[in-house]
Amino acid sequence: EVALVESGGDLVQPGGSLRLSCVASGFTFNNYAMFWVRQAPGKGPEWVSSVTGSGDATYYADSVKGRFTMSRDNSKNTVYLQMDSLRVDDTAVYYCIKSDCSGGGCRRIASWGQGILVTVSS
Amino acid sequence: DIQMTQSPSSLSASVGDRVTITCRASQNVNTLLAWCQQKPGKAPKLLIYRASTLEGGVPSRFSGSGSGTEFTLSISSLQPDDFATYYCQQYASYPLTFGQGTRLEIK
Repeated sequence: EVALVESGGDLVQPGGSLRLSCVASGFTFNNYAMFWVRQAPGKGPEWVSSVTGSGDATYYADSVKGRFTMSRDNSKNTVYLQMDSLRVDDTAVYYCIKSDCSGGGCRRIASWGQGILVTVSS
Repeated sequence: DIQMTQSPSSLSASVGDRVTITCRASQNVNTLLAWCQQKPGKAPKLLIYRASTLEGGVPSRFSGSGSGTEFTLSISSLQPDDFATYYCQQYASYPLTFGQGTRLEIK
């Protein structure tokens, strides 16, 4: 069974940094692209970033481009989201997501993690 | 960016009712459209992908249809467990985008 467990959420001041991790199990990790999707309080989900199965390509929403970096370590079955220059409107539950295939054209959400809260506030 | 618009934004219905939610895309997404269900404090749960394919374990009272720019999610006979918020989401191109949600409430 697929399991995606996020960690690293915290309260951070505006302008600060945070790194989220997501440990995956139950599938052959390097065969699947992975995503981060976030959901601000009372709002709908918003796609943040994607990485291909090999890690050779990443994609970002305009709202986080230049501030967030997504990466993966296939030896550890883990994806990361490095978040710098955090803003109050980055406050959200961040979900780690498994896609249904490996390449850059793999954009279908197949499984959601349980989510981790990031709060940006002074 | 492809904008996704759901209607209605909220809906009141009774157990046993049939309900339909509509989702419109601002550009052609073919059938690269998914529906998910979310309950308060929980992660979204995938219901349907490729516009009409039921995810494993999802009850057959859920169905999806459509292609291009107009899609529907139908629930044939509402059960108490179905009262939740529903989102459509396109995956035809980046950025992936979601509808604003339809809140289904008990009448």
